[in-house]
Amino acid sequence: GQNIDQPTEMTATEGAIVQINCTYQTSGFNGLFWYQQHAGEAPTFLSYNVLDGLEEKGRFSSFLSRSKGYSYLLLKELQMKDSASYLCAIMDSNYQLIWGAGTKLIIKP
Amino acid sequence: GAVVSQHPSWVICKSGTSVKIECRSLDFQATTMFWYRQFPKQSLMLMATSNEGSKATYEQGVEKDKFLINHASLTLSTLTVTSAHPEDSSFYICSARAESGGDTDTQYFGPGTRLTVL
Repeated sequence: GQNIDQPTEMTATEGAIVQINCTYQTSGFNGLFWYQQHAGEAPTFLSYNVLDGLEEKGRFSSFLSRSKGYSYLLLKELQMKDSASYLCAIMDSNYQLIWGAGTKLIIKP
Repeated sequence: GAVVSQHPSWVICKSGTSVKIECRSLDFQATTMFWYRQFPKQSLMLMATSNEGSKATYEQGVEKDKFLINHASLTLSTLTVTSAHPEDSSFYICSARAESGGDTDTQYFGPGTRLTVL
C-alpha cells in the first residue's frame, strides 16, 4: 500500500532549528513536495525534491533520500510566523499526489 | 487516516467541452470542501470553498459560471469546468474538512485530477 508518515505535532523555540521528517512508501516516485499551511489558508509551496540531496532555500532546506524513502524539512532561525502545519506530499508513478497528514509546528518564545 | 478520493485521475478533452471532477470523502463526513488549482511547483491556489447544501464561495478572479461547484452531500463535491479551453489545463486538487468545521480542523487532500484541454 501507499503510506506517508510524519509526526503529528512538534514544538520548538523561536530562533532555534527544527527538522520535520517524512517517510514514505509509494507506488513509484515522481517527486516530493513540502507545503506550509497556516490555519484557514491555502497551502504554500515550499520545496520540490526529485533527486537525492539537500536543497536550500533561505531559512528552509529540504532533503531527500529515495533509497530510504525519507525526506526532511529543516527550518532555521525559527520565527513565530513559522507556526503552521507542514505537509509532505509524494507524486506517484501516475502523477497523483499522496499526502501526509501534516505536522503541526508550534513555536514558543 | 481520513481518505479523500478524486475522479477521474486525469482527463483529456477537446476545447469547448465540459468536464466534471468528483471529490469524495471516503470515511468521514465533510461539511466543507475546498477546490484548488495548482501550477507546477507553485502554491495551491484556492478557487472556491464549498459547503454542503449551500452555494460555493468563490475566490476573487474565479469565474463561478465557468467553474460550477455542487456539494450535494456530506461526502461528495463536484467541480464542473464548463466550455473548457487550453488555459484551463491544470492540476485540480480538492480537500475536505471534517464536520466540526473550525479553521484549525485538519484538511485532508485528494490526489488531484490532471486536466488537459486540447
